[in-house]
Amino acid sequence: DAKTTQPNSMESNEEEPVHLPCNHSTISGTDYIHWYRQLPSQGPEYVIHGLTSNVNNRMASLAIAEDRKSSTLILHRATLRDAAVYYCILRDVGGGSQGNLIFGKGTKLSVKP
Amino acid sequence: NAGVTQTPKFQVLKTGQSMTLQCAQDMNHNSMYWYRQDPGMGLRLIYYSASEGTTDKGEVPNGYNVSRLNKREFSLRLESAAPSQTSVYFCASRGMSGRALNEQFFGPGTRLTVL
Repeated sequence: DAKTTQPNSMESNEEEPVHLPCNHSTISGTDYIHWYRQLPSQGPEYVIHGLTSNVNNRMASLAIAEDRKSSTLILHRATLRDAAVYYCILRDVGGGSQGNLIFGKGTKLSVKP
Repeated sequence: NAGVTQTPKFQVLKTGQSMTLQCAQDMNHNSMYWYRQDPGMGLRLIYYSASEGTTDKGEVPNGYNVSRLNKREFSLRLESAAPSQTSVYFCASRGMSGRALNEQFFGPGTRLTVL
């Protein structure tokens, strides 16, 4: 399974944008890029996903490099509630594993008031 | 909709005891999953069920059994608990169309301690 590399931790100030990077140099053509986050003492929750084009939703934006070997999750205005562990995950929809998610350690985002 | 519910929220077992973790979803999803999360780590897949009547092993299935009782319910059983199974257990589900096709919905977790 393709792997991702993320920084262990990042800090941000409240109401400032946050750019969370993810490297996935071995990505295959059938891998979708998914982002989940896990707030303290909760289960993970879906944030966004994409294949080739940049994506926006109410929570965040996803910028995907042209060669698809890296991506960046963008939180436009961080709030204290955004403090969480963010997971970048490659989901293979072309294989026999039902497109299961494989979680790494993620990036722990701290937001300072 | 309650989403994905898990019982119990907390459990303490002694080594060698058995127990079943319950999971139910009310979103009519086909796929269901069991994960464990050890401190400071990401989630690891134990078992999954792509549809009612089917189950498959994930990354760390040893020491566990599962039952897909019906479309709504997916239980995880520890036959003889060991301290290495101390963890937080999460259940998740995924649908086959629309938003649910690309998103796994997670329950609140069960914190299990094995002494």
